[in-house]
Amino acid sequence: DAGITQSPRHKVTETGTPVTLRCHQTENHRYMYWYRQDPGHGLRLIHYSYGVKDTDKGEVSDGYSVSRSKTEDFLLTLESATSSQTSVYFCATRGGLETQYFGPGTRLLVL
Amino acid sequence: KNEVEQSPQNLTAQEGEFITINCSYSVGISALHWLQQHPGGGIVSLFMLSSGKKKHGRLIATINIQEKHSSLHITASHPRDSAVYICAVRSTKHTGNQFYFGTGTSLTVIP
Repeated sequence: DAGITQSPRHKVTETGTPVTLRCHQTENHRYMYWYRQDPGHGLRLIHYSYGVKDTDKGEVSDGYSVSRSKTEDFLLTLESATSSQTSVYFCATRGGLETQYFGPGTRLLVL
Repeated sequence: KNEVEQSPQNLTAQEGEFITINCSYSVGISALHWLQQHPGGGIVSLFMLSSGKKKHGRLIATINIQEKHSSLHITASHPRDSAVYICAVRSTKHTGNQFYFGTGTSLTVIP
């Protein structure tokens, strides 16, 4: 298993509060991704990074921002959480032969 | 319309049965992935295909690029195969690294 961890694993927060999710990898992979997974939808890309300080938007990026100041860390921030952002969030990296490695997920509940 | 469609959505099989899960996609791709998500939520990559067929143990994945279709087969199914199987494609539609995911096929294998 690739060394990908996410923190926190579970979070409950209130509408309007800022939330930051952290993804940490030990594989020195260049590409990192944030997805959300909701019932009835496949995994959907929020943002991705193709190197330190290099990021781009995915299909559901509204309300989210990201930062990558080090190869190993990719942060996802909800500036002002809304109930529609209640979801399970997965971080992933892309390794050799295009294999994607996923973190364990973060369950976020916005009340 | 989802770029990746899977069928069936749900599948129940008796232990030992041969299982087929189908994936159709509508975009140009550079690679197709099959992922497995266990009830605990963790996601692991099973296969990456760009052509032909791959086999790993009791799992076989095939892809037909012309027909934009892939199948995942499980021979001699076992209760431990119970999981959600997700098809994902890496699209050539974007210059970035866009992956599109199916909504998954939930497989239950009964002893």
